[in-house]
Amino acid sequence: QSALTQPASVSGSPGQSITISCTGTSSDVGGWNHVSWYQQRPGEAPKLMIYEVSDRPSGVSSRFSGSTSGNTASLTISGLQAEDEADYYCSSYSSATTLVFGGGTKLTVL
Amino acid sequence: QITLKESGPTLVRPTQTLTLTCSFSGFSLNSRGVGVGWIRQPPVKALEWLGTIYWDDDKRYSPSLKNRLTITKDTSKNQVVLIMTNMDPVDTATYYCAHRVGLAVFDHWGQGILVSVSS
Repeated sequence: QSALTQPASVSGSPGQSITISCTGTSSDVGGWNHVSWYQQRPGEAPKLMIYEVSDRPSGVSSRFSGSTSGNTASLTISGLQAEDEADYYCSSYSSATTLVFGGGTKLTVL
Repeated sequence: QITLKESGPTLVRPTQTLTLTCSFSGFSLNSRGVGVGWIRQPPVKALEWLGTIYWDDDKRYSPSLKNRLTITKDTSKNQVVLIMTNMDPVDTATYYCAHRVGLAVFDHWGQGILVSVSS
């Protein structure tokens, strides 16, 4: 069982916005501003999309944004596009275990 | 340009020891703040952090696997080595190495290597 809880799947139509949640504890998500989000397409390595809760690496579309509230982090993708279909993983620094990942969320673009 | 690539056996027998090498370029593991992590992903399952080695030779391991893991670095060769003992079929996974930046952020990943554990 993964330490951070994500929904198994989310879906949306092109142009819509979707949000993926990532729930942890005060030892990780709720206690540190060190949440990251990764996109993984089939057969590929994960790609960093968001770090330190809401920062975007160079080259990542501004349609991707991150936030936290309490022990839950969220990834929002606006203006959904077919190319966004992928698995998304959150991760967080943890004072208990150093680093933890979420169980992953499969995003389907309808 | 940062690149990383994993190498090693793709098939190991149960109880054997797995040794994987991460060869990297575009950064130095002598630079303050830099680290290289190992992450694995069983087929059709989630990512699992295994451990990270830092520029100052500090190492952190997943508590659930720390008794089986050793991570070392050779800065002269730009390589990091992962050793995992007592392999079991449940350890079948794609193993990734990644460049660590910040407290818990991996911004560049290797392509991964699929390791199967079977007799």
